[in-house]
Amino acid sequence: GIQVEQSPPDLILQEGANSTLRCNFSDSVNNLQWFHQNPWGQLINLFYIPSGTKQNGRLSATTVATERYSLLYISSSQTTDSGVYFCAVEKKTSYDKVIFGPGTSLSVIP
Amino acid sequence: DTGVSQDPRHKITKRGQNVTFRCDPISEHNRLYWYRQTLGQGPEFLTYFQNEAQLEKSRLLSDRFSAERPKGSFSTLEIQRTEQGDSAMYLCASSLSRSDEKLFFGSGTQLSVL
Repeated sequence: GIQVEQSPPDLILQEGANSTLRCNFSDSVNNLQWFHQNPWGQLINLFYIPSGTKQNGRLSATTVATERYSLLYISSSQTTDSGVYFCAVEKKTSYDKVIFGPGTSLSVIP
Repeated sequence: DTGVSQDPRHKITKRGQNVTFRCDPISEHNRLYWYRQTLGQGPEFLTYFQNEAQLEKSRLLSDRFSAERPKGSFSTLEIQRTEQGDSAMYLCASSLSRSDEKLFFGSGTQLSVL
């Protein structure tokens, strides 16, 4: 099946710093999503981004489907950005499912 | 829009007992997913429904696990003869089969098997 890798596995940032998280996947996909899991365990959908670039406030994401990677940019990080960031991909086969990467654990310190 | 809701939030059971969890998806969503997550790992796919049809079940899933989605609305996940290794967070998600197929997750059911 499709493999999803994320880097770095862990990241510590000073408040106000910028960061880039990467997601690589082993096969062509039909869609890609980024999620934030907060320290209370709730998964929040950040972006649905099968290709191209999207921005939402301090967050933006770019997916280059032909090269099988996606990037999540966090600018001017805040302590509330702490948590785990997952990318998840879907490949349209006979049946659909969404496969998650291992995540990047982000800690933003004041 | 009340979001995806899961019940119960926490479940403690003894090894060998059966447990059942419920998920109510966002009302117009026709796709429903179950995932399992253990500490430090990403969510692991368990099974998926489109309307009432269970379209795929993970090959890693034991025969002790079964899921239903009668009438394409809420879903239940049952684990029979629980084992300590079943302890995890069980997550439900739903989506609408359209061009923008964002997944929305519930808060999960935390299962502890003693």
